[in-house]
Amino acid sequence: DAKTTQPPSMDCAEGRAANLPCNHSTISGNEYVYWYRQIHSQGPQYIIHGLKNNETNEMASLIITEDRKSSTLILPHATLRDTAVYYCIVRQTNSGYALNFGKGTSLLVTP
Amino acid sequence: GAVVSQHPSRVICKSGTSVKIECRSLDFQATTMFWYRQFPKQSLMLMATSNEGSKATYEQGVEKDKFLINHASLTLSTLTVTSAHPEDSSFYICSASLGGYTFGSGTRLTVV
Repeated sequence: DAKTTQPPSMDCAEGRAANLPCNHSTISGNEYVYWYRQIHSQGPQYIIHGLKNNETNEMASLIITEDRKSSTLILPHATLRDTAVYYCIVRQTNSGYALNFGKGTSLLVTP
Repeated sequence: GAVVSQHPSRVICKSGTSVKIECRSLDFQATTMFWYRQFPKQSLMLMATSNEGSKATYEQGVEKDKFLINHASLTLSTLTVTSAHPEDSSFYICSASLGGYTFGSGTRLTVV
């Protein structure tokens, strides 16, 4: 799996957009960008994934640069419940292997 | 969507005893499940890959005789921590793959 780099921590005011960056400069053509988050003392939760096009679902938007070397997860209106560690993971889909977690970004949403 | 149920959510046991953690895929069959361990303020570390009907594959540094994994059916994998020590206290999380990856809610193990 390609290596990813994320800032260790970020703050965001409640109601504002949270933009979480991820660098994955060694990504290969068949690797997807996955985002998961882990709220304290819970299992990781799937957020979104994409290959090269921007993606949006009810939780977030994923913006992938044209060269695919970086991406940004956008939580459009952050709430206190979005406080969590966010993990950006690059891997082939349906590979049959486990997800490997880096250190992620600890997002703190403040009132 | 795919749901993975993990039980118990927390357990306290005495040193030297064994603890079993169950991971069930509720609405799908999982030929492969994964077990992770997470220490405070650290990321998830893969311990082993559990394969239905065959032996688990352990990551380097994980003692297979201490962390027994059984995947006897397509919907159940169990992790047994044998002869538990205080340093085994951790957050254990299972995962199964059905297209994407779904995670259990985790088990907080405290060994006293």
